[in-house]
Amino acid sequence: GAVVSQHPSRVICKSGTSVKIECRSLDFQATTMFWYRQFPKQSLMLMATSNEGSKATYEQGVEKDKFLINHASLTLSTLTVTSAHPEDSSFYICSVNSPGGYTFGSGTRLTVV
Amino acid sequence: AQSVTQLGSHVSVSEGALVLLRCNYSSSVPPYLFWYVQYPNQGLQLLLKYTSAATLVKGINGFEAEFKKSETSFHLTKPSAHMRDAAEYFCAVSDNAGNMLTFGGGTRLMVKP
Repeated sequence: GAVVSQHPSRVICKSGTSVKIECRSLDFQATTMFWYRQFPKQSLMLMATSNEGSKATYEQGVEKDKFLINHASLTLSTLTVTSAHPEDSSFYICSVNSPGGYTFGSGTRLTVV
Repeated sequence: AQSVTQLGSHVSVSEGALVLLRCNYSSSVPPYLFWYVQYPNQGLQLLLKYTSAATLVKGINGFEAEFKKSETSFHLTKPSAHMRDAAEYFCAVSDNAGNMLTFGGGTRLMVKP
């Protein structure tokens, strides 16, 4: 599968601020990337599908104005958590589906205080 | 629609004992099935995948899984558990049309010395 790099691995922010998470596909031109959220001791839930050059597709119940996704190039997708609140604290993981299969980033642990 | 059910959110085995993690799926199309392992605060690593070839799939770290269509199952096994196998395991299904993975709830494997 593709090599996926996700940054930062860990971030702490104050309530009300915004946080940007980057997901890079280092060796594959990804027209689509996937963003997942994982709460403690729970499974991964798909938040949205990021589409290069067009709007992201959000899953039901995910606020698109709160979780801004930008996929401006074939190697980079960003997830911005706007006006973060403590309930947004979670583990966010991106994924790329290449001919070799799905590959996941190492995840971002977001803590909102 | 697709779904995955992992029976047993926690499984505990002794070192050297057989590991059996259960996964049942539901899919309206021939499924592609995956097992992933997740270590704390990390992304997901692919253990193995079934893509309509051999029904017995061998993966990394001595794990294997058997696709049984009649039972809609894809259970993960390993003959002899090691301490390093302690982690969270996720079963996932995809229609392999470039669409996202749907994950099961996860099973935490604990290995006792």
